[in-house]
Amino acid sequence: EVQLVEAGGGLVQPGGSLILSCAASGFTFSDHYMDWVRQAPGKGLEWVGRTRNKANSYTREYAASVKGRITISRDESKNSLYLQVNSLKTEDTAVYYCVRVTPVKGYAPDYWGQGTLVTVSS
Amino acid sequence: DIQMTQSPSSLSASVGDRVTITCRASQGISNSLAWFQQKPGKAPQSLIYAASSLQSGVPSKFSGSGSGTDFTLTISSLQPEDSATYYCQQYKSYPLTFGGGTNVEIK
Repeated sequence: EVQLVEAGGGLVQPGGSLILSCAASGFTFSDHYMDWVRQAPGKGLEWVGRTRNKANSYTREYAASVKGRITISRDESKNSLYLQVNSLKTEDTAVYYCVRVTPVKGYAPDYWGQGTLVTVSS
Repeated sequence: DIQMTQSPSSLSASVGDRVTITCRASQGISNSLAWFQQKPGKAPQSLIYAASSLQSGVPSKFSGSGSGTDFTLTISSLQPEDSATYYCQQYKSYPLTFGGGTNVEIK
């Protein structure tokens, strides 16, 4: 069974940093691209960024709204995905989801984690 | 960036009704479109990929169609458990973008 479990959310002051993690299980992690998607309270979904799979050298793409402040990484030995966000702003307050992306489905997203809430406030 | 426009933004329909949601891309995306269902307080769940392919485990009452710029999600016979917000997403080019969502309510 595919499982994605995010962790690391919480209350952070503006200007601070945090690292979110996503533990993956039930599939061959290195075969898949992985995305981060966020959702501000009461708002829609926003794609944050992506890391490609081993076959594509784990290269990354980022949304312009967060580029320069975020780093997406992955640890294949731990089957884990990470999102580091620096210089946090109040508008970064959101639930952050990790999403599996499947190359054999034409790079379509399929499984979502349950999300972790990040609140940026003083 | 490719803009994704969903309509309507909300709808109310009766149990058993056929419901259709549309999603329009600001430029052609071939069939690189996904649909998601999100219930209040829950993570989104994937319904459709490649515009018309059903994700594993998704009931056949959900169907998708379209290619290029115009897409639809259809629920063939609306049930109370289908009350949710539905989103489309294009994954043809970066940045990946979502539609604004359609809130489906049961009358």
